[in-house]
Amino acid sequence: SQTIHQWPATLVQPVGSPLSLECTVEGTSNPNLYWYRQAAGRGLQLLFYSVGIGQISSEVPQNLSASRPQDRQFILSSKKLLLSDSGFYLCAWSPTTPNQPQHFGDGTRLSIL
Amino acid sequence: QKEVEQNSGPLSVPEGAIASLNCTYSDRVSQSFFWYRQYSGKSPELIMSIYSNGDKEDGRFTAQLNKASQYVSLLIRDSQPSDSATYLCAVNGQAGTALIFGKGTTLSVSS
Repeated sequence: SQTIHQWPATLVQPVGSPLSLECTVEGTSNPNLYWYRQAAGRGLQLLFYSVGIGQISSEVPQNLSASRPQDRQFILSSKKLLLSDSGFYLCAWSPTTPNQPQHFGDGTRLSIL
Repeated sequence: QKEVEQNSGPLSVPEGAIASLNCTYSDRVSQSFFWYRQYSGKSPELIMSIYSNGDKEDGRFTAQLNKASQYVSLLIRDSQPSDSATYLCAVNGQAGTALIFGKGTTLSVSS
């Protein structure tokens, strides 16, 4: 069966520091991968999605970036964090076949001080 | 801009009652529809998928789809306090893109 791992579970970072969140999927090949952010009490905001290695689509221009160095690895990065980057970051995957659901990792709760 | 609309709630029902959660979507050609449950502080969990008009039942959950009205609903029978959560409706986007999520409806089941 497929599993998705996301770490760390919680992270406290000062303003202006860099960020790297990692997500890996097991048990499937060439999945579609997604990064979402959820602010407190708000809906899901799609940040990036990827349909293959090195293929990244950005949904919201901001100081975050994403990379997919391997088939089942998806990384979310920032060079300088802002206070507004605080939130719950979720990685998700879906099969490449159309009309399939997405499956979420456990998320990373990021607090910026 | 494709949209998925949900009433934010909170929807409050007593234990044992039927909870009815509703969702409308804007893209008439949408083909797949999903309900996710998200407990406070946790990630969304897929609970139902529906692709054809009509009802689909899974235990205490029933998903209903009406493509002509662009409407999908989730019924929870014999609601339990453990059903208290935010329920997200999601609809497929274009091929190769992410699902489109509603903002969610918060359900509170009182014992």
